[in-house]
Amino acid sequence: DAGITQSPRHKVTETGTPVTLRCHQTENHRYMYWYRQDPGHGLRLIHYSYGVKDTDKGEVSDGYSVSRSKTEDFLLTLESATSSQTSVYFCAISGRGQPNTDTQYFGPGTRLTVL
Amino acid sequence: AQSVTQPDIHITVSEGASLELRCNYSYGATPYLFWYVQSPGQGLQLLLKYFSGDTLVQGIKGFEAEFKRSQSSFNLRKPSVHWSDAAEYFCAVGGAEYGNKLVFGAGTILRVKS
Repeated sequence: DAGITQSPRHKVTETGTPVTLRCHQTENHRYMYWYRQDPGHGLRLIHYSYGVKDTDKGEVSDGYSVSRSKTEDFLLTLESATSSQTSVYFCAISGRGQPNTDTQYFGPGTRLTVL
Repeated sequence: AQSVTQPDIHITVSEGASLELRCNYSYGATPYLFWYVQSPGQGLQLLLKYFSGDTLVQGIKGFEAEFKRSQSSFNLRKPSVHWSDAAEYFCAVGGAEYGNKLVFGAGTILRVKS
């Protein structure tokens, strides 16, 4: 298994509070991704990173920001959580090719509930 | 808009029976195709992938998939299903036409009855 960890694994928070999810990899892969998974929608890309301090938006980026200050860490922040952001969040990494062709390896996920 | 369609939300098969999960993509001259499996409470695990060459690809756990360009399909198959195959299966497509990302289908939940 690819060395990817996510923390926390579960979180319950209240509407309006900030939340930060962390993804940590030990593979030295260049690309890192944040997805959310919701029933009937599969996985939808929130943001991705193609290097330290280099990030770009995915298809559902509104309400989310990311940062990558080190190769191994990719943070996802919900500045002011809303109930619509209740979801399971997955981090993924890929290393050798381009993000639209390379195999992605997934972390175990973080279940976030916003009350 | 580019999309990936998995027409079956749920499929139930008997243990030992054959399985086929369908996946269709909207377009792409040279698609990069993936099947992932997700067990309950787990992340996604790669089953197999197709980039080029032989259109029938073998994966882990006895799965195979066939790329059919004329049908824009990449269906996943297994000749004999085991109870441990119960999971959710995702098809994903990438390539030049899909921008800087992979596009995932909505998933198919497989139930195995004994």
